[in-house]
Amino acid sequence: DAGITQSPRHKVTETGTPVTLRCHQTENHRYMYWYRQDPGHGLRLIHYSYGVKDTDKGEVSDGYSVSRSKTEDFLLTLESATSSQTSVYFCAISENSDGVAFYGYTFGSGTRLTVV
Amino acid sequence: GQQVMQIPQYQHVQEGEDFTTYCNSSTTLSNIQWYKQRPGGHPVFLIQLVKSGEVKKQKRLTFQFGEAKKNSSLHITATQTTDVGTYFCANDSWGKFQFGAGTQVVVTP
Repeated sequence: DAGITQSPRHKVTETGTPVTLRCHQTENHRYMYWYRQDPGHGLRLIHYSYGVKDTDKGEVSDGYSVSRSKTEDFLLTLESATSSQTSVYFCAISENSDGVAFYGYTFGSGTRLTVV
Repeated sequence: GQQVMQIPQYQHVQEGEDFTTYCNSSTTLSNIQWYKQRPGGHPVFLIQLVKSGEVKKQKRLTFQFGEAKKNSSLHITATQTTDVGTYFCANDSWGKFQFGAGTQVVVTP
């Protein structure tokens, strides 16, 4: 969808190196999310943000950190990449009200990360 | 948080046939969302169900929320090749949505 972009689209990195993925939105939505997608697991929430500098952990947050210094940008950092973090990473945005998503998530196109 | 189980994991359908995929939970759900992901693409929001017994239709797709709000179904009639993809259900868990593992649909002409 035009209102959300992820970069890079593809990345290959070596084990032990730090990696940062970027999610940029032009919708001014308050909520932003990072998911990873692996075969057989669907989409699993890594971290999410409910406002500038307000973030919280999801179900698979170990080894990941996030930052949100501006409404439009949400960064996901793999502090020291491991092969188990090879995955497709999706960013999503939502227009929530009182914690209820009325319109569903809008997903970015994803980043395919390979850790070798 | 509440987890949803999707069945079947894979669905092979002949073009023109109908099929149904299910999303089940052992606990009462506040609401359910359905998404479709085409091969190589990203998930796209289809619908949200909130009320017990709610039924919504989008052309050939019919979505239903169970009376006890513990299950949901997606029924597709007269399947077309454009229906290929993975269909996910997701339940609201304190403002964050937890996704099922999905039903991968393959359509044979």
